[in-house]
Amino acid sequence: AQTVTQSQPEMSVQEAETVTLSCTYDTSENNYYLFWYKQPPSRQMILVIRQEAYKQQNATENRFSVNFQKAAKSFSLKISDSQLGDTAMYFCAFLYWGAQKLVFGQGTRLTINP
Amino acid sequence: GAGVSQTPSNKVTEKGKYVELRCDPISGHTALYWYRQSLGQGPEFLIYFQGTGAADDSGLPNDRFFAVRPEGSVSTLKIQRTERGDSAVYLCASSANGRENTDTQYFGPGTRLTVL
Repeated sequence: AQTVTQSQPEMSVQEAETVTLSCTYDTSENNYYLFWYKQPPSRQMILVIRQEAYKQQNATENRFSVNFQKAAKSFSLKISDSQLGDTAMYFCAFLYWGAQKLVFGQGTRLTINP
Repeated sequence: GAGVSQTPSNKVTEKGKYVELRCDPISGHTALYWYRQSLGQGPEFLIYFQGTGAADDSGLPNDRFFAVRPEGSVSTLKIQRTERGDSAVYLCASSANGRENTDTQYFGPGTRLTVL
């Protein structure tokens, strides 16, 4: 079975700072996808960024980037120039080829302070 | 078009009652998913539909939980003889195809179920 671990229950930074959220996972699969989802107080999960395991290049989406270390089974999210609107719960998730169910970590509550 | 919608937004019921939670996926999406999110936890998979059929129901916790999608669009999650431990946010998601891992799952705002 696949497991996803987020070791930081809460984080807090000042606006405009850079913050990194950690995620590790455990799997015996070789082909899979990794995701970061954002969940604001509205409860709606919003996809932030995704990474295909077969790609060596780290994914980036504007201010969001990942550090994907396949051998270490690590998938961290870096948010640059953080904004107040980035305040939310962030979930790391895993999906392996051939399955359709996302496996989520426990989440990290991120607060951006003005 | 519109995103995934779920009704009701909140549901309060008494222990032992029957509840139905509804999900309207994005128009044209063939795949639909249900997840359950307990307080302070990440979502956990319940069931996945491809069209009208349940392709994977391995996450349903017991036989009190049942879901249908009779016309391949709207889905209803049904919970019989509710227990206090069923209290959670129930999230629905849909994706365009569901057969390709490149599909993105788009989530609704969830239904918060409280069992007193």
